[in-house]
Amino acid sequence: TQLLEQSPQFLSIQEGENLTVYCNSSSVFSSLQWYRQEPGEGPVLLVTVVTGGEVKKLKRLTFQFGDARKDSSLHITAAQTGDTGLYLCAGTIRNQGGKLIFGQGTELSVKP
Amino acid sequence: GAVVSQHPSRVICKSGTSVKIECRSLDFQATTMFWYRQFPKQSLMLMATSNEGSKATYEQGVEKDKFLINHASLTLSTLTVTSAHPEDSSFYICSGIRGFSTDTQYFGPGTRLTVL
Repeated sequence: TQLLEQSPQFLSIQEGENLTVYCNSSSVFSSLQWYRQEPGEGPVLLVTVVTGGEVKKLKRLTFQFGDARKDSSLHITAAQTGDTGLYLCAGTIRNQGGKLIFGQGTELSVKP
Repeated sequence: GAVVSQHPSRVICKSGTSVKIECRSLDFQATTMFWYRQFPKQSLMLMATSNEGSKATYEQGVEKDKFLINHASLTLSTLTVTSAHPEDSSFYICSGIRGFSTDTQYFGPGTRLTVL
């Protein structure tokens, strides 16, 4: 079974704090995506990483793809209340027709 | 961008009835579409993969006779929940892959199904 372990599953922090979400697997992924989802809406793609060791930045969000393409992290600097939401990592594995394997999700709550 | 729509956004039905949910790719051709269900505060669970013009491939544990999927064109896939029961109440989300790219799925806004 191909699993993508995401942690933590719940995170409650104060505005201004930093946080990191991790996704780990024993499988090698051809690409890994991070999504953010708000209640009652579909997931919105934040970033796609495809190269081992790749780092991408999106304002206060930093995404890393592990050298072996088995793990990834999302780091948020100086969290804001608007960052509240469900964060999902999802990976694709070669020759699986684009099927996404999702992590369990991280429910982030940023309090003022 | 690549936009996917779903209709309806919310539906309430009585137990035993059937409900059809549409998923459309508005500005691209989606050779492959996926259907997910999601329970509150949980991740997405893949139900089936739908390829245009062929039968859908269902994930283990998903009843193909209960969740009928049709992908009749490159821009439309439908999911019909037959003989719905309260336990089928969930958030159903579709996604599409643009052309033959296998790396990026574009998600619809979801459909909230409530079965009374």
